[in-house]
Amino acid sequence: TQLLEQSPQFLSIQEGENLTVYCNSSSVFSSLQWYRQEPGEGPVLLVTVVTGGEVKKLKRLTFQFGDARKDSSLHITAAQPGDTGLYLCASDRGSTLGRLYFGRGTQLTVWP
Amino acid sequence: GAVVSQHPSRVICKSGTSVKIECRSLDFQATTMFWYRQFPKKSLMLMATSNEGSKATYEQGVEKDKFLINHASLTLSTLTVTSAHPEDSSFYICSASPGEGRGTQYFGPGTRLLVL
Repeated sequence: TQLLEQSPQFLSIQEGENLTVYCNSSSVFSSLQWYRQEPGEGPVLLVTVVTGGEVKKLKRLTFQFGDARKDSSLHITAAQPGDTGLYLCASDRGSTLGRLYFGRGTQLTVWP
Repeated sequence: GAVVSQHPSRVICKSGTSVKIECRSLDFQATTMFWYRQFPKKSLMLMATSNEGSKATYEQGVEKDKFLINHASLTLSTLTVTSAHPEDSSFYICSASPGEGRGTQYFGPGTRLLVL
């Protein structure tokens, strides 16, 4: 079973549209990370959220951590073709060893 | 800063041969390195945790004799896929962490392995 459930699995939109992707779990997380991965490359860290209810903004990207620290969302405003990629959420499951476990990801395609 | 490299970037080998993949932290010392495997259009699956100077810790279901990990220095970890078979074809990604335990992981660019 997947600890982190991401939805939707695929998202194809036109440039300029807004979108939200979700990362949900039945477990409480001490922290959660969002990554973006492009084909043939390793994932790149976008943000780490730690506090329940926390909202972080990174230009057109807004990340929110649920109050109960069981879910998170990523909202992109006015999507651009450069936003295309695989968006992954990950958590360390409370491990002190730093091991990360990833969700299945949301494959986003933004058409010009 | 915080650059992690992998070599080779892609490799094609015959079934039954062994392949070694290197992961290097270029501008920091990595006490801990991690190895992941990713199938096409799928997520990253943690294979093992590699600590400098000690044996790697493997995730459940990962064969330690199949995937040999060596973390000989604070800047280098290697993953050797022994007696590779077509089902081992995958994208292998490493990450490195400057500190022990929790901390930011910096990911390498990945190695594409194709076993014929």
